[in-house]
Amino acid sequence: EAGVTQSPTHLIKTRGQQVTLRCSPISGHTSVYWYQQALGLGLQFLLWYDEGEERNRGNFPPRFSGRQFPNYSSELNVNALELEDSALYLCASRGSQAFFGQGTRLTVV
Amino acid sequence: QKEVEQDPGPLSVPEGAIVSLNCTYSNSAFQYFMWYRQYSRKGPELLMYTYSSGNKEDGRFTAQVDKSSKYISLFIRDSQPSDSATYLCAMSKTIQGAQKLVFGQGTRLTINP
Repeated sequence: EAGVTQSPTHLIKTRGQQVTLRCSPISGHTSVYWYQQALGLGLQFLLWYDEGEERNRGNFPPRFSGRQFPNYSSELNVNALELEDSALYLCASRGSQAFFGQGTRLTVV
Repeated sequence: QKEVEQDPGPLSVPEGAIVSLNCTYSNSAFQYFMWYRQYSRKGPELLMYTYSSGNKEDGRFTAQVDKSSKYISLFIRDSQPSDSATYLCAMSKTIQGAQKLVFGQGTRLTINP
């Protein structure tokens, strides 16, 4: 069974640009969670989607947004990138248990 | 007050020691309890999963849940340098038919050879 897959694995963007990160959950999982993890810090909750609906969002500005598609895959969009957005972005999907992808490492220069 | 509290450490112990990692929580609605291990710059890996009070053992790892005290623990026996990682507790509760997942801050553990 394929795990949670995230793409791309790494990317470098310039301040002010926009980025889209993608997550494919484990087959059968309907919930997707997004987290930001800055270097050396804990997981900061970004967004939670379930059955195509946004269920909750963390304490992040509106330039962080996302969506979940009918096949339960998800996108995280970040507009007007700032240097402090540099982090590992993790996606988790949940059926009876929650599993993480390996993350997308975003560097903003 | 955070829903889930976890001491960030760092915690450093000699190889072979028994390690005890702990989390407390404030909301009795949490039903499922998990422990994850995260190596540097990698995604967290699910180690243990339980939904009832009591102990669950898997090899050198034992997860303990005490719902009456709102306290969960992870014990690592015969610790190895390869156990050096950040350990995150997580728990979930049902909100409008879906499971909301909440994480602790993570404890950074180092096992010294």
